[in-house]
Order: sequence, then C-alpha cells, then structure tokens
Amino acid sequence: DTAVSQTPKYLVTQMGNDKSIKCEQNLGHDTMYWYKQDSKKFLKIMFSYNNKELIINETVPNRFSPKSPDKAHLNLHINSLELGDSAVYFCASSHRARGTDTQYFGPGTRLTVL
Amino acid sequence: DAKTTQPPSMDCAEGRAANLPCNHSTISGNEYVYWYRQIHSQGPQYIIHGLKNNETNEMASLIITEDRKSSTLILPHATLRDTAVYYCIVRLRVYSGGGADGLTFGKGTHLIIQP
Repeated sequence: DTAVSQTPKYLVTQMGNDKSIKCEQNLGHDTMYWYKQDSKKFLKIMFSYNNKELIINETVPNRFSPKSPDKAHLNLHINSLELGDSAVYFCASSHRARGTDTQYFGPGTRLTVL
Repeated sequence: DAKTTQPPSMDCAEGRAANLPCNHSTISGNEYVYWYRQIHSQGPQYIIHGLKNNETNEMASLIITEDRKSSTLILPHATLRDTAVYYCIVRLRVYSGGGADGLTFGKGTHLIIQP
C-alpha cells in the first residue's frame, strides 16, 4: 500500500494555465507538506499544513495555494503557470501529535511548463 | 534549525561500510540529527535520527559525538542501490515547538557505490 501518493506523476502544460496536483496519505498523519525541487536539485519547503494551521514559505508566490479537503489530502493549486514553475513537486506527511518529525515523501510530480 | 556541513561527494566500494560525516557545531540541546536520502528521481526517504545516543535500525547506524557537534551515518554493507544523495538535517524537537515549518535541505553528500 502506498503511504503517500501523488497524481499526476507527470504534468505538461502551457504558460498561463491553472493546474492542480493531488496528494493523499494513508498513514493517519496530522501534518502535510509541499516541497519544490528545481533543476539544480535544491529541495525547498513551500507549505506546511497542520490542523488548519498553514505555514507558508515567504518565497512562494501567491499563485500557489494548498487546499486540504480533509486530513488525508493536501492538494496544490497553481494559477497562471510560468516557465519558472517547472520543477518536481513532492508532497510529504508526518505525525507531529506523536512528537515525531519524521516525514514520509510521495514519489513526486514532474511539472513542465512550456 | 542549526546549520549542517557535509562533503559534496563520496565513493565507496560495494559491500564495504559507507561512513558519511556531518558537522553541526551550533546544534542546541533540543535539536535532533536526522538523515534522509534521495535516490535518483525518487522522493526523499527517511533513514534514521537521534538526539545524543547512538542509534541503529535496519537501514543504518548513527554515531553522534559526545559534544554533539558532529555525527556519522554508517551504511554497514553498501550496495549499488545505496547510491543516492544523503542529507543530514538538524531539527528542533517537536515538543519544543519544532517541526511545523518543514525540513531545510542542504546540498547533501552524493554517495556513489562502486561495483
């Protein structure tokens, strides 16, 4: 059983479009995250979401917005896509209520903006 | 979270122990040392973490110096599948208010296992 899953695995789209990436975790965790890995392979936190508390990395453009329909899902919506948004996006989860910070990552979504 | 320093790359022969060092000289008493790795094109994978005692699990061992200013991740019998980028990350304990803001990844160590 996949612990953290993401769809789609690949996403190719035109500049200016709006797209979403879905993330689901079946671990019963209470905190979910989105990370971006650019072409230079640097991994950076974008959002952290725990019990309706959203922590946003200040460098993330407001075209990006996470939406959590329930505790098992944290989807990433991107408006007006730009060339620089091309990257691999990883979702992750952890269970902070247990006092642990161990994060489990999804397989990633490779976004290409043309 | 405290800053960490790792060598950019290392080689290790298959079947030998791979020892990956990490310096974290500004670590505080409330901060854990975590290790993750990222195999090419995959999501990062948790390996192990510790506070001050040495730790071992089915994947690796973590040796933390007595002054906690450095640590070593040991893969006891490296295989080709262990070729990956290994990240050493220092994190504030959740019970001390840490963990809410996601992991800060550095450049890591690219470990290459040679056949």
